Order: sequence, then C-alpha cells, then structure tokens
Amino acid sequence: EVQLVESGGGLVQPGGSLKLSCAASGFSFSGSAMHWVRQASGKGLEWVGRIRGKANSYATAYAASVKGRFTISRDDSKNTAFLQMNSLKTEDTAVYYCTQEHFDYWGQGTLVTVSS
Amino acid sequence: QLVLTQSPSASASLGASVKLTCTLSSGHSSYAIAWHQQQPEKGPRYLMSLKSDGSHSKGDGIPDRFSGSSSGAEHYLTISSLQSEDEADYYCQTWGIGIVLFGGGTKLTVL
Repeated sequence: EVQLVESGGGLVQPGGSLKLSCAASGFSFSGSAMHWVRQASGKGLEWVGRIRGKANSYATAYAASVKGRFTISRDDSKNTAFLQMNSLKTEDTAVYYCTQEHFDYWGQGTLVTVSS
Repeated sequence: QLVLTQSPSASASLGASVKLTCTLSSGHSSYAIAWHQQQPEKGPRYLMSLKSDGSHSKGDGIPDRFSGSSSGAEHYLTISSLQSEDEADYYCQTWGIGIVLFGGGTKLTVL
C-alpha cells in the first residue's frame, strides 16, 4: 500500500523558514519523482515544485511564485522528500501536500500558517 | 501559454449523470491530463489520466461510474449514478517540461 505522510507544518512569522518532510512507503521511492502541491484555504490546487530521481540527476523545477525561496530535496536512504521554505510570506499560508511522480497517490497534507 | 479551464460549478441529481469539462489552451490540445477528486475536508484523490487519443488509466479502486473521454482540446469526466459522496471539487491537471498546472476546479453539487 502506497503511503505518503507529510509533517513539519506549523506557525511561522513572515520572513521565517520552515522545513516540511514527506515520508514515503509502498513504492520504489528512489525511482520516482516527488512533487509538492499546496492549497490555500478555500482555493484551488497550486503546484509548488518537484524533484526527479537519481537517474535524472535529482533535477528540480519550481513554480514562479516560490522560485528562489523554496528548495526541494530528498534522501533516498530514508524514502523521504523535503521542502525547505525560506523568506516565507503570508500568501504561502496553505496546506502542503506531497505526491509522487504520476500524482496517483497523495499525502494527507500539513498546514503551514505564516502570520505575525 | 498553457492554461486549463474548468467551469466553477456544476450540479446534478442523485442517481443522475454529470459530465465535467476541462479545456486545454490553444496549441496544447495534444497534452494529456489527469482528473482528481477532493471531497470536503480531505486531500485530493487521483481518478484517472486521459490522453488526447482518448485512452485513459484509472486510479486504484476508482468505481466504474467514473469515466473519461476526450475530443481535441476538451477532456471530460463523466460520473454516472451520482451518489452523495460524489459531491466534491474536481480538478484537472496537466504537465509539460518543468511545469505542472491545475485547472481552477469544478465544485459538483449533488441535489
């Protein structure tokens, strides 16, 4: 059974940093790209970015709204993907989901609130 | 520019059928798309992917009541024998080189 479990969300002040984790199981993690998607309250889904696997040199890509502030990484030995969020803005407040390569399995999400 | 367009809302009666539409922007009709369902207060759930040739691949455990079809730049999700639990937001999604896009979503109300 595929499982994706996000953690690390919480309350952070504007300008602060937070690192989210996504623990994966039930599929070949090392061979799969991993994506992060977010959803502000009452809004639609917004792709944040992705990291590909070792065979594709761990290539990353980001949405324009987070490029230069967010960094996606992974630890294949722990089947875990990460989202490092720096210079956070109030508009980054959202539930953050991780999902694997073909978006056919999603985690339950973790809430990030950026507020003073 | 790659854009996905969905109607904001749709409604249909319990037991009836409904067809949701997702339209790809001009020049992008060959792109594949995926459909996701998001029930209230839950995370998204993958339903299926659709290619421009009409072929599709469903997610695990997705009932036969959910089907997909395509015609040029338009992709459809048809839900038959509507049940109360089908009341949800439905998002289409596409992808290109280094980019992933979601449509704005359609809120389906089951009357």
